[in-house]
Amino acid sequence: EAGVTQSPTHLIKTRGQQVTLRCSPISGHTSVYWYQQALGLGLQFLLWYDEGEERNRGNFPPRFSGRQFPNYSSELNVNALELEDSALYLCASSLDFNYGYTFGSGTRLTVV
Amino acid sequence: AQSVTQLDSQVPVFEEAPVELRCNYSSSVSVYLFWYVQYPNQGLQLLLKYLSGSTLVKGINGFEAEFNKSQTSFHLRKPSVHISDTAEYFCAVSGGAGGTSYGKLTFGQGTILTVHP
Repeated sequence: EAGVTQSPTHLIKTRGQQVTLRCSPISGHTSVYWYQQALGLGLQFLLWYDEGEERNRGNFPPRFSGRQFPNYSSELNVNALELEDSALYLCASSLDFNYGYTFGSGTRLTVV
Repeated sequence: AQSVTQLDSQVPVFEEAPVELRCNYSSSVSVYLFWYVQYPNQGLQLLLKYLSGSTLVKGINGFEAEFNKSQTSFHLRKPSVHISDTAEYFCAVSGGAGGTSYGKLTFGQGTILTVHP
């Protein structure tokens, strides 16, 4: 069974640009979660999508947005990139968040 | 709101020695508890979870954790570590019935375990 897949694995962008990160959940999982792991800041919850709807959102500005498609895959979009957006972006999926998530390997975003 | 505190940011230990990584949580509702491991440049892998039942939970790679409700703790232990256990370990809590905690795992800041030969 394929796990959670994320693309791309690495990305370098310039300040002010826009970026789209992609995530495919485990087959059968309807929920997708996005986390940011920046150096020294731990794992910060970004977004939760379930059945195509945004269910919860972390304390991030509106330039962080996303969507979930009918096949449950998801995109995370970040507009007007800032240097502090440099981080590992982790996607996870689950059937029920109470039982934990399965994470992908992440996308390493570097903003220069 | 719920929170997780991992009491040690770094734990150095020699190979074949026992180790305990400490985790305390706070929550106003019943919780589910998790330990994840992250190897360099990788995502997080689930080690074990406590949902209900026996307070001693066994996970992968020889790790176990004990849920202590009165002390609001969920410490991770391994009786004999290997070099390959060198990684960052995260404790997490879920269970928010609504509000800002709904749907999300709240993670501790992580503990870097370094196993020396």
